[in-house]
Amino acid sequence: GGIITQTPKFLIGQEGQKLTLKCQQNFNHDTMYWYRQDSGKGLRLIYYSITENDLQKGDLSEGYDASREKKSSFSLTVTSAQKNEMAVFLCASSISWGGAETLYFGSGTRLTVL
Amino acid sequence: GQQVQQSPASLVLQEGENAELQCNFSTSLNSMQWFYQRPGGSLVSLFYNPSGTKHSGRLTSTTVIKERRSSLHISSSQTTDSGTYLCALERGADRLTFGKGTQLIIQP
Repeated sequence: GGIITQTPKFLIGQEGQKLTLKCQQNFNHDTMYWYRQDSGKGLRLIYYSITENDLQKGDLSEGYDASREKKSSFSLTVTSAQKNEMAVFLCASSISWGGAETLYFGSGTRLTVL
Repeated sequence: GQQVQQSPASLVLQEGENAELQCNFSTSLNSMQWFYQRPGGSLVSLFYNPSGTKHSGRLTSTTVIKERRSSLHISSSQTTDSGTYLCALERGADRLTFGKGTQLIIQP
């Protein structure tokens, strides 16, 4: 089996700060994802990456950058944190791109902006 | 409008009772997936179910494409079943649209 590790588990930032969330997977999966989960709104796709060095925008990419420099890691940057923002950011991976694949999720990074 | 609607939003049952969770979708789909999210934790895939009925232990998932719905049935519920259940509509090539989830609380 494998595991997806997200760091940090809790992230507190100031308004306007650039904040980076990290995700590592040892499944050797090709595709990785970043989702944002807000209370009462379900999960929304921010960015995904089909393979190393690939980046694809999701439904909520504005205000975020992503980086996939290695197959095993996918990082997400909040370019300018918004005051009163509070959400959980979930990283996921799947074997390949193309549908019909199970997603494996990390335990999330909980962001609070003061 | 929202493409994936889950009901109920929350459900409280006594241990041993059966739970029925619904997911309705407004667009065509390639597939439907069900996930379980532990309180404060990660999501675990329960079913990948494009159509028909699938079983896994006490869990049963049924997807009826022409009626644009999918259900998750939990029989003889246990307190450890408590958590949030999410359905996700696969629109095409790894683009999942998630519902808002059903929060299930099983009381001893």
